[in-house]
Amino acid sequence: SQELEQSPQSLIVQEGKNLTINCTSSKTLYGLYWYKQKYGEGLIFLMMLQKGGEEKSHEKITAKLDEKKQQSSLHITASQPSHAGIYLCGAVGLSGNTPLVFGKGTRLSVIA
Amino acid sequence: KAGVTQTPRYLIKTRGQQVTLSCSPISGHRSVSWYQQTPGQGLQFLFEYFSETQRNKGNFPGRFSGRQFSNSRSEMNVSTLELGDSALYLCASRAQGGNTEAFFGQGTRLTVV
Repeated sequence: SQELEQSPQSLIVQEGKNLTINCTSSKTLYGLYWYKQKYGEGLIFLMMLQKGGEEKSHEKITAKLDEKKQQSSLHITASQPSHAGIYLCGAVGLSGNTPLVFGKGTRLSVIA
Repeated sequence: KAGVTQTPRYLIKTRGQQVTLSCSPISGHRSVSWYQQTPGQGLQFLFEYFSETQRNKGNFPGRFSGRQFSNSRSEMNVSTLELGDSALYLCASRAQGGNTEAFFGQGTRLTVV
């Protein structure tokens, strides 16, 4: 089964700084999802990447998919307190019938 | 367009009891997946239903079951509750499956005492 490893597990950054979160898959990536979660709440969909080299942006958050490395990176520019939370990556397998599985998440804290 | 609705939001049950959680997906979505989230294990896949049929199943004991109705609403049931079943249960709604966007509900926080 597909496994996703996220790094780092947690991150504390000063407001205004840039940061990157990585998600590496044990198998070929056919679709990669990024979500944000506030503690105890549901997951907020950020973006989905489907093609190698694809890059998408949502406000100050940019994600890129590197098919060869079986990896995706999420980059936040000029972090703000509102960016704090848990970031999760998810992926599906080749078959359209495979479930969406997730990494364990990266906990981001932004300090003033 | 209404989002994914999960009810109830919070639940407290006693060991040995059973519980039923509900998930109403986004209108038109036919796939509903259930997940259990705990601090130690992260987000673990329970099962997925598509057009009233279970399409995928995770590695959970038979005490965990689910079903999907013709209107795509889904329920999951946990029988003979154990303390370790305390978790946030989340459901995800997708139009079909595969590489389509998945949207989550706010979750049901289950506490077993």
